Amino acid sequence: KAGVTQTPRYLIKTRGQQVTLSCSPISGHRSVSWYQQTPGQGLQFLFEYFSETQRNKGNFPGRFSGRQFSNSRSEMNVSTLELGDSALYLCASSLAGQLHQPQHFGDGTRLSIL
Amino acid sequence: DQQVKQNSPSLSVQEGRISILNCDYTNSMFDYFLWYKKYPAEGPTFLISISSIKDKNEDGRFTVFLNKSAKHLSLHIVPSQPGDSAVYFCAASANSGYALNFGKGTSLLVTP
Repeated sequence: KAGVTQTPRYLIKTRGQQVTLSCSPISGHRSVSWYQQTPGQGLQFLFEYFSETQRNKGNFPGRFSGRQFSNSRSEMNVSTLELGDSALYLCASSLAGQLHQPQHFGDGTRLSIL
Repeated sequence: DQQVKQNSPSLSVQEGRISILNCDYTNSMFDYFLWYKKYPAEGPTFLISISSIKDKNEDGRFTVFLNKSAKHLSLHIVPSQPGDSAVYFCAASANSGYALNFGKGTSLLVTP
């Protein structure tokens, strides 16, 4: 069974640009969550999507947005990039509609802002 | 505000011995707890979880203990193997699996 796939693996951008990251969940998983990992803050929740709707949102500015498509694939967009957005962005998927289902992570997209 | 805390940044254990990784949380609404293992350049791998209605869950060499009154959980690895060397993250959720709150991780080194 294929795992969670994130593309691209690495990205280099400059301040002020925008970026779109992609995530394909495990087949059959309908919930997709996004996390940001930085050395100082650790892993922080960005948002979660289910059936093309954002169900949960973390404490990030509006520059961070996402969407989910009908096939459960998800994209995350960051606009007006800042140096502090340099991080590993992780996507996770889980079965939805059942209690206490673990999230399974992709290998992440490493975003570097110059 | 860090709601999940792993106070030991690192731990070194000899092969064959028990590894005990600890985690404390502050939010009494958390009802689902998970442990993940992470190798460099890879995403976290799910290890084991426990819901708040239980106090222990076992899966092979891995056992998670939950003490709700102390808001504390621990992961026991017995016996420890060199391949267990990785960063271990504790995570918790207040809504049955979504919006995980992570600790900052404990780096485990298992020496031969």
